[in-house]
Formats: sequence, C-alpha cells, structure tokens
Amino acid sequence: GAVVSQHPSRVICKSGTSVKIECRSLDFQATTMFWYRQFPKQSLMLMATSNEGSKATYEQGVEKDKFLINHASLTLSTLTVTSAHPEDSSFYICSARDPASGMETDTQYFGPGTRLTVL
Amino acid sequence: QKEVEQDPGPLSVPEGAIVSLNCTYSNSAFQYFMWYRQYSRKGPELLMYTYSSGNKEDGRFTAQVDKSSKYISLFIRDSQPSDSATYLCAMRRGGPGNQFYFGTGTSLTVIP
Repeated sequence: GAVVSQHPSRVICKSGTSVKIECRSLDFQATTMFWYRQFPKQSLMLMATSNEGSKATYEQGVEKDKFLINHASLTLSTLTVTSAHPEDSSFYICSARDPASGMETDTQYFGPGTRLTVL
Repeated sequence: QKEVEQDPGPLSVPEGAIVSLNCTYSNSAFQYFMWYRQYSRKGPELLMYTYSSGNKEDGRFTAQVDKSSKYISLFIRDSQPSDSATYLCAMRRGGPGNQFYFGTGTSLTVIP
C-alpha cells in the first residue's frame, strides 16, 4: 500500500516551453501533497504544499506563477513549470499524505521523481 | 539553529559492518520520527516510522529515539552493498496535519 506514482519519469524540453508533471496516489486518498526540488547530491527542498480543492502554499522564494500547482482531486496533483529555462533543470519529487489515516500511518509517501532537463 | 541536524557524511563502511546514522533536533514537541532511504535518482522510500521514545526493529534495521537527548538513530546490521544510499531523517509534532521537518541526509556507501 501507500504507492505514489509520478509521470513522466524523465522529460527533456526546449527553453521557453511548459512542462506538466503528474503525481498520483494509487491506493489512498491524499488530502495533502507536497512538491520538492532536489539538485545533485543535495537535500530535498520543499517548493509548495497543496491541499485538495484549495490553492497551494508556496515556500519563500518559489515563484507561484512559474510553478503552477493544481490539486484537483484526492489522488492527483500536477506541477506545471511554465516557460522553462535551463536553470529549472532539476529532479522534482512529489509526496502525498493522508492525515486522516490515523497517527500511526500519517507520514509522507514519495513518488519516484521526475528528472527535467531544459535545453 | 536548524530544527533538524544531520551529518551529511559521506560515510563509507565495509560490507558486514554495523552502521549508525543519527539526527539531532531542537523542538521537544516532535513526537513522530521517520527514516527514509533514497537511492540515486529515485524518490525517498519510507524505512522506519516510530512514535515517541524507544526502539523499533525491522529486519536488519533498528530505529532508536531518545527524546530526553533529542537524538534519533538508525542502526543497520550486517550492512550490504545494496544499503548504499542517502538516508534522511524526518520528524513532526503530534496532531493531524503538522509540518514535517527533514534532515539533509547522510550518504552511505557499503564497500563489498
């Protein structure tokens, strides 16, 4: 149980294009999803927290107009990198959480990540 | 002061060694403690999840929490090359919907 998928696993795009990354919780309802960014050999950097049906909360320094997050259902959140540039190249990881699952199982389950390369 | 401190390593041990990974924290309200393992170019996977103080064992892995010292540990017995990964600790306060705090991760290499 507690499986989170991400699609695509790898994407290469040209500078100026937009890229959408999907995050799905496969066997549980995720009322909260998180989006992280990770540079090589560095730790996770939280970008935003999204709750189903409401606007995402962005961390300081993260441009909300550049990184559009939609959490339209209890099993799907999307991150769209708009007008991508080479500096946006990174490993993007989502995680999902179901706080209603009970204290013993309320944790974050991570997706496998999406490697974005902007040429 | 960071909420959670974790030595980034890298840590290199011979196969079969006992590995000790540690995190310290500053917020005494943390009650739930987690260890994640992250292989290169993959998302983190949950290894251990513990509540409050004490030990929890799962196969070769033992998670230990000492709330009085604000110190948590993950022990790996009979380490294998397949254990080579980055290990992240995480923790949160009690109650639903509380924020998670992650360590920066410790890079471990087990040498055959």
